[in-house]
Amino acid sequence: SQQGEEDPQALSIQEGENATMNCSYKTSINNLQWYRQNSGRGLVHLILIRSNEREKHSGRLRVTLDTSKKSSSLLITASRAADTASYFCADGDGRASKIIFGSGTRLSIRP
Amino acid sequence: KAGVTQTPRYLIKTRGQQVTLSCSPISGHRSVSWYQQTPGQGLQFLFEYFSETQRNKGNFPGRFSGRQFSNSRSEMNVSTLELGDSALYLCASSSLGTDYGYTFGSGTRLTVV
Repeated sequence: SQQGEEDPQALSIQEGENATMNCSYKTSINNLQWYRQNSGRGLVHLILIRSNEREKHSGRLRVTLDTSKKSSSLLITASRAADTASYFCADGDGRASKIIFGSGTRLSIRP
Repeated sequence: KAGVTQTPRYLIKTRGQQVTLSCSPISGHRSVSWYQQTPGQGLQFLFEYFSETQRNKGNFPGRFSGRQFSNSRSEMNVSTLELGDSALYLCASSSLGTDYGYTFGSGTRLTVV
């Protein structure tokens, strides 16, 4: 069964706007990872935030982590058409040697 | 450096047959994980190998098996295929496991008819 759940399931915004996706998870984690998947392709690792971090930036991406609420958010600023994809969060537990994915958010960028 | 390579990209099999999928991880990566992705169930963890040992296994029937070779290349096998096995099978490699990001291959699209 999946651990993380993304919200919303689908999001459509205008090019240039910011997109925010949320992820909730159930048990304790070592880290929280975000991935992007273009239609029918493999996943691309975007960013990893560790359980002792609260915020992390990478280019136009900003990730926050609230371990007290067991939630994370991914913000994509100044969206572009190329950002159209599905976005997944995944929680990593080093002891379990696996990462568990949420159901994903489908992001569509309108020109 | 070369990415994660999965072969074949597409596969069509008949119910009851068996199939073997291959994954070559990034050079130097010793951890290889397999995932099944379907529209209904999303991304489901199959198993993870590290230095030829299976360290973790998901909740899949025994028809799903895998192995890893000394060069870290991995194969997964599905025997007695069922229609529900139709999915995108993704392989991911990592240098040190879940504490770092995974690099995924483009996947093998399996269709069972």
